[in-house]
Amino acid sequence: AQTVTQSQPEMSVQEAETVTLSCTYDTSESNYYLFWYKQPPSRQMILVIRQEAYKQQNATENRFSVNFQKAAKSFSLKISDSQLGDTAMYFCAFMLGRDDKIIFGKGTRLHILP
Amino acid sequence: DGGITQSPKYLFRKEGQNVTLSCEQNLNHDAMYWYRQDPGQGLRLIYYSQIVNDFQKGDIAEGYSVSREKKESFPLTVTSAQKNPTAFYLCASSNTWTGTDYGYTFGSGTRLTVV
Repeated sequence: AQTVTQSQPEMSVQEAETVTLSCTYDTSESNYYLFWYKQPPSRQMILVIRQEAYKQQNATENRFSVNFQKAAKSFSLKISDSQLGDTAMYFCAFMLGRDDKIIFGKGTRLHILP
Repeated sequence: DGGITQSPKYLFRKEGQNVTLSCEQNLNHDAMYWYRQDPGQGLRLIYYSQIVNDFQKGDIAEGYSVSREKKESFPLTVTSAQKNPTAFYLCASSNTWTGTDYGYTFGSGTRLTVV
């Protein structure tokens, strides 16, 4: 069975700094999909970034980028020039196929300090 | 605009009552999902449905029931058999076909409290 592990329950950084959130996963499959979702205090889940495992190039979305290390089964999220609005719970997630369910990690609570 | 609507936003249940949480989507997505969120637990899958009139149990289905009579709708009933129903419930849908739009779209959630 696939699992997702986020080893940092909580983090705090100063505004404008760069922060990296860690995520590791376990699977024996070679193709799959990985995600980072953000849940701000409103509790609305928002897709931050996604990556297909067969694509070696790391995904980027504006200030958000990932470091996808397939052999190490690692999928970290880097937030550059962090902003107060980035304060949220961040969930790393794994999906085996497009018609499959998503498995979520337990989340990292990120605080951006003014 | 397309999206997922969950209602109500807040729901209170008395001991022994069944309650139903609504989830409606107009994204033409085939698959729909229900998750439960508790502090420190992440999101745990309750039930999911990949096609109308069919659904599967997730990891914590006991005490819950669902139906999928229409593509757009996937209501969740929390029965009296669910011993600890107080939680935040999230509904999601996904496009299971080709294209770059993979992953879930989420509703805004329902906070259920037992009183």
